[in-house]
Amino acid sequence: SQQGEEDPQALSIQEGENATMNCSYKTSINNLQWYRQNSGRGLVHLILIRSNEREKHSGRLRVTLDTSKKSSSLLITASRAADTASYFCATVRSNAGGTSYGKLTFGQGTILTVHP
Amino acid sequence: EPEVTQTPSHQVTQMGQEVILRCVPISNHLYFYWYRQILGQKVEFLVSFYNNEISEKSEIFDDQFSVERPDGSNFTLKIRSTKLEDSAMYFCASRPHRGRGNQPQHFGDGTRLSIL
Repeated sequence: SQQGEEDPQALSIQEGENATMNCSYKTSINNLQWYRQNSGRGLVHLILIRSNEREKHSGRLRVTLDTSKKSSSLLITASRAADTASYFCATVRSNAGGTSYGKLTFGQGTILTVHP
Repeated sequence: EPEVTQTPSHQVTQMGQEVILRCVPISNHLYFYWYRQILGQKVEFLVSFYNNEISEKSEIFDDQFSVERPDGSNFTLKIRSTKLEDSAMYFCASRPHRGRGNQPQHFGDGTRLSIL
């Protein structure tokens, strides 16, 4: 499989429910980021978690990172119809030399549908 | 809030023709990127650009591709002789200098390139 695989591929929930998406990756990372993409639009950055962090919150978003399992999860609490979008995790690979130009390696994404 | 802008939003070109995709990154950003997303597939890194030169490129970024920052504000991607498989959404992104890659990238809304 490839770097940054998300599951599930598609998630359908009712407004008010929580949505959890998972991401796995293969290499050592500098950080892991989650992006959102509305249909036909660009990617919007949601949250960045560094390799030495285990959990991070931003509003209704909660991200966890387990570097021993090379996995991350994104939790959206109290979902809204406006959260309907595709969600991607992306990793920045760690570089032993310390130089990172920040290349993002994306997963396949999770399509989230929130029904009103 | 500053944005990355891309033009055109949709480009239709005959196979074998040259195409130039244009981007205006956020003004105080110093790292610039091109990514592409073939319909239904993951976002793929093409190239990163820093200090007026390519810092990293992927296998996709072959001799048919080139990037330029001609005037200090625009950042362009040129495809010299387009192929059918170049049909995709092309995203430009930029980020500030600091942080060794620990900064989110800001994406434009993309150019949809259709090769006939």
